[in-house]
Amino acid sequence: DQQVKQNSPSLSVQEGRISILNCDYTNSMFDYFLWYKKYPAEGPTFLISISSIKDKNEDGRFTVFLNKSAKHLSLHIVPSQPGDSAVYFCAASVPGSARQLTFGSGTQLTVLP
Amino acid sequence: NAGVMQNPRHLVRRRGQEARLRCSPMKGHSHVYWYRQLPEEGLKFMVYLQKENIIDESGMPKERFSAEFPKEGPSILRIQQVVRGDSAAYFCASSTVVAGVTDTQYFGPGTRLTVL
Repeated sequence: DQQVKQNSPSLSVQEGRISILNCDYTNSMFDYFLWYKKYPAEGPTFLISISSIKDKNEDGRFTVFLNKSAKHLSLHIVPSQPGDSAVYFCAASVPGSARQLTFGSGTQLTVLP
Repeated sequence: NAGVMQNPRHLVRRRGQEARLRCSPMKGHSHVYWYRQLPEEGLKFMVYLQKENIIDESGMPKERFSAEFPKEGPSILRIQQVVRGDSAAYFCASSTVVAGVTDTQYFGPGTRLTVL
């Protein structure tokens, strides 16, 4: 039972344009959401997070939007750069001291020069 | 400030052998998580530890897998009598605790285990 779903395995975007990566979740207990970027043969790198008390968080070129009623979040990258090409994972956690992460299956973003 | 370190980066074992994966958390981090990534899948939580204590091992297979985080030294994930299905990338993450809640998890580069 996948509690966090990334339905698009891949996405291609032209350099300079906006990249929009989507994530859906089913567990209404999730209250904290994160996006990680991963290059081949490396570990995931933390990008940006959002608490369920907010609906938007922005950090430079990266913005995460949370729609709790739809159980949907998205990551916007503007403008996209070739160095953004990587696999992007959405992750979520429930309240509690442990905060173990439940990951989606990832979306391969390719930014074309 | 060194990040999370894992070794070895690559490990090859034959069926029935033991695999030991090591993780040194970031400086100042006292909590460690282990995750496993099978091919074409996302990362799956295995176990959460703090020094000398397993907090949550709900994601660990019941047999052959164990983890520890001693007072001194790295955290160890141990897989006994490996099988081909154990072939995966194993990632360690570390975090601090702020107001009783773990903060952002930072990941190491992973250990790629191949079982022949």
